[in-house]
Amino acid sequence: QKEVEQNSGPLSVPEGAIASLNCTYSDRGSQSFFWYRQYSGKSPELIMSIYSNGDKEDGRFTAQLNKASQYVSLLIRDSQPSDSATYLCAVNMSGGYQKVTFGTGTKLQVIP
Amino acid sequence: DAGITQSPRYKITETGRQVTLMCHQTWSHSYMFWYRQDLGHGLRLIYYSAAADITDKGEVPDGYVVSRSKTENFPLTLESATRSQTSVYFCASSDSPNQPQHFGDGTRLSIL
Repeated sequence: QKEVEQNSGPLSVPEGAIASLNCTYSDRGSQSFFWYRQYSGKSPELIMSIYSNGDKEDGRFTAQLNKASQYVSLLIRDSQPSDSATYLCAVNMSGGYQKVTFGTGTKLQVIP
Repeated sequence: DAGITQSPRYKITETGRQVTLMCHQTWSHSYMFWYRQDLGHGLRLIYYSAAADITDKGEVPDGYVVSRSKTENFPLTLESATRSQTSVYFCASSDSPNQPQHFGDGTRLSIL
């Protein structure tokens, strides 16, 4: 089992729709969770951090965390073509040092 | 401007050569990281550093050497480059273990 799993996609949604990106993780002791956006040929860019169960909203983005079920999700409302990118889930695993493990990413395509 | 810069952006070299990738951050972050990103593998941690003169191995350290004599710099050296080290390399930094990492623009390294 991979430590952080994401569906590689591509996930295609029409412009204006809600895009839902999911991520599961294996370490029940994980405490910090991050979503990054990566455009092709560019570096990862932080979108959201979430640390406690529930929802966290920032503009069109909502991160949802459920530690009991070991998943974290990212919702993008009113999706725009400019949201087309690969979205990386990152989890700070428990342990003696900072070990942030990245998923392989979900490619999102927003169709105009 | 504050941030994290990597150099060079692109590098082509031959097998057996030594090559050093540079990383410089102006945030005074304690933690710095080196990742490589390859298709199908996502971001994989090579080495990380918790402070000046403190470094440790990540997931894929073989063939790489790091040093951190100053807080702001974290060079990565390939002592004898191999074709399997052709990749995109990202440097990142963060303020503390539970804070998100911020990435440089990356170095695209090709080894012929």
